[in-house]
Amino acid sequence: DAKTTQPPSMDCAEGRAANLPCNHSTISGNEYVYWYRQIHSQGPQYIIHGLKNNETNEMASLIITEDRKSSTLILPHATLRDTAVYYCIVRRKGGSEKLVFGKGTKLTVNP
Amino acid sequence: GAVVSQHPSRVICKSGTSVKIECRSLDFQATTMFWYRQFPKQSLMLMATSNEGSKATYEQGVEKDKFLINHASLTLSTLTVTSAHPEDSSFYICSANLGTSSYNEQFFGPGTRLTVL
Repeated sequence: DAKTTQPPSMDCAEGRAANLPCNHSTISGNEYVYWYRQIHSQGPQYIIHGLKNNETNEMASLIITEDRKSSTLILPHATLRDTAVYYCIVRRKGGSEKLVFGKGTKLTVNP
Repeated sequence: GAVVSQHPSRVICKSGTSVKIECRSLDFQATTMFWYRQFPKQSLMLMATSNEGSKATYEQGVEKDKFLINHASLTLSTLTVTSAHPEDSSFYICSANLGTSSYNEQFFGPGTRLTVL
């Protein structure tokens, strides 16, 4: 079973920041928070991951609370192409560790 | 960047036939690949973990004799749906782990749409 909880859907205006929350209250000390997104009828795309520090890359920023029980993915300037289902996943480190997908958040970016 | 391809992208077959789907890591070697299935408006469900040179590990409820997985090289894993039936119609997606460090990311293929008539 997925170990994360996300809102089923969110809307965001184009050009504005999209803040996607995720609860992972049972996360273990050796588990990372991963974010993926899936655009309709495509394979998931890796976005970002982190352990306890905030992370930023060219796609997004990841803010993890100090107790690590929740996190927020931030798309700083959402575009229409960011419309997708966003999945927050907790996963242990290790090459053979599997990803367990929950239902994710359907983000719709509106013009 | 890390690219994973799948072939075919779309396949239609008759009930009772077998279908093979290929998953390739194009610019890296992957000792571990994963196979997922996704039904309409649902999330991805992990079917099995494919390890190069050894037998695949199947998730509970997935029939290993129906979904044959072969991972003969570090860049290729195949999924064969044997004796396909209409209920096997789904979106099949593979992924591959990049690198051997502890902080692997999985990169996903574009998926294969299987329709069984």
